[in-house]
Amino acid sequence: ETGVTQTPRHLVMGMTNKKSLKCEQHLGHNAMYWYKQSAKKPLELMFVYSLEERVENNSVPSRFSPECPNSSHLFLHLHTLQPEDSALYLCASSQGAGEMTYEQYFGPGTRLTVT
Amino acid sequence: KQEVTQIPAALSVPEGENLVLNCSFTDSAIYNLQWFRQDPGKGLTSLLLIQSSQREQTSGRLNASLDKSSGRSTLYIAASQPGDSATYLCAVRRTGNQFYFGTGTSLTVIP
Repeated sequence: ETGVTQTPRHLVMGMTNKKSLKCEQHLGHNAMYWYKQSAKKPLELMFVYSLEERVENNSVPSRFSPECPNSSHLFLHLHTLQPEDSALYLCASSQGAGEMTYEQYFGPGTRLTVT
Repeated sequence: KQEVTQIPAALSVPEGENLVLNCSFTDSAIYNLQWFRQDPGKGLTSLLLIQSSQREQTSGRLNASLDKSSGRSTLYIAASQPGDSATYLCAVRRTGNQFYFGTGTSLTVIP
């Protein structure tokens, strides 16, 4: 384990469902990230939270809603998804944000399938 | 917008060979560059982080170099082993919290 855990590891949901992905980091970091990894495409940064404040939102559709209640936990709330949202969703954490950001540590990912 | 390219997309080598993976990026204004490996269906494991002021980093059989002015980084793997088989990704960080990843090089080390 890398110190970053994600649940569930696999999720199948219909387009009308509402579900949430959870990420927890045990490394004492102060920044957390959500990425989307689709086949044959580079990882796409979705959201960044630094000190529990959202600092980046890369034009992600509103059907994805992040939440960061504290520096150790990050959620991604999903609703009314489309089949093209099927992907591996990765959470990461790091110490620092802004200019001095150190290594990113990733969780194992949640494999999401939208039917 | 920053673009990150990794060549080759796939590489197959016999065990014991030394090899080089390449990463190029279009905008040299980066804070750092990080190399990862990813095993099938799993998350990313950090291998090496090079800050923009550094030229190289080493960890065991791995050596990563960075030439910011030419927009290039290489990951050198010495004496490759079957356990090195994975996809290798590079990522650059620009101003703010923008991270850009390449599509990776899929490495197979044949016993």
